[in-house]
Amino acid sequence: AQKITQTQPGMFVQEKEAVTLDCTYDTSDQSYGLFWYKQPSSGEMIFLIYQGSYDEQNATEGRYSLNFQKARKSANLVISASQLGDSAMYFCAMRAYTDKLIFGTGTRLQVFP
Amino acid sequence: NAGVTQTPKFQVLKTGQSMTLQCAQDMNHEYMSWYRQDPGMGLRLIHYSVGAGITDQGEVPNGYNVSRSTTEDFPLRLLSAAPSQTSVYFCASIAPSGANVLTFGAGSRLTVL
Repeated sequence: AQKITQTQPGMFVQEKEAVTLDCTYDTSDQSYGLFWYKQPSSGEMIFLIYQGSYDEQNATEGRYSLNFQKARKSANLVISASQLGDSAMYFCAMRAYTDKLIFGTGTRLQVFP
Repeated sequence: NAGVTQTPKFQVLKTGQSMTLQCAQDMNHEYMSWYRQDPGMGLRLIHYSVGAGITDQGEVPNGYNVSRSTTEDFPLRLLSAAPSQTSVYFCASIAPSGANVLTFGAGSRLTVL
């Protein structure tokens, strides 16, 4: 069975600092994808970054990078140079092969000046 | 190209009433899914479909029915609404190729009294 765990209900970071949001996963499949989504207070779900299980390099998208440690089954999101607009809920998600896509419980990030 | 369209945006039901949440996509996506979002619980998968005529249960399927008669539509039915089904519902779909990024609808807020 697949499982996604986000152990940080809330995180605080000062503007311009970097922050790491934790995500661990469990699957017996060899082929899977890992995702991060952002949900601002307006409610829409915004795709941030994707990492495939066979990708050798960590994914990066602008200020977002995914710290993928396959042996530890972790897929942490790193946000560099935090901005006030980064305040939101962040969800980690996983899809094994062509199966269903499941989400973690989320981390609420608050960026303060 | 409208993406994923969910209707209605808001609905109030009385316990025991039935209703259908509609979801349509015009991107020829094979994979479609329904999630519910509750505070502290993240997004939980209700049902999903990997193609027309194929549906499967997610993490929290009880109390919900789905069907997939066409590639475009994936309605979610509540046959006898209960207060525990008060939630925000998201429909989402995935393209058949590429990075498997979920495209979300705008969400439907359902209140069961």
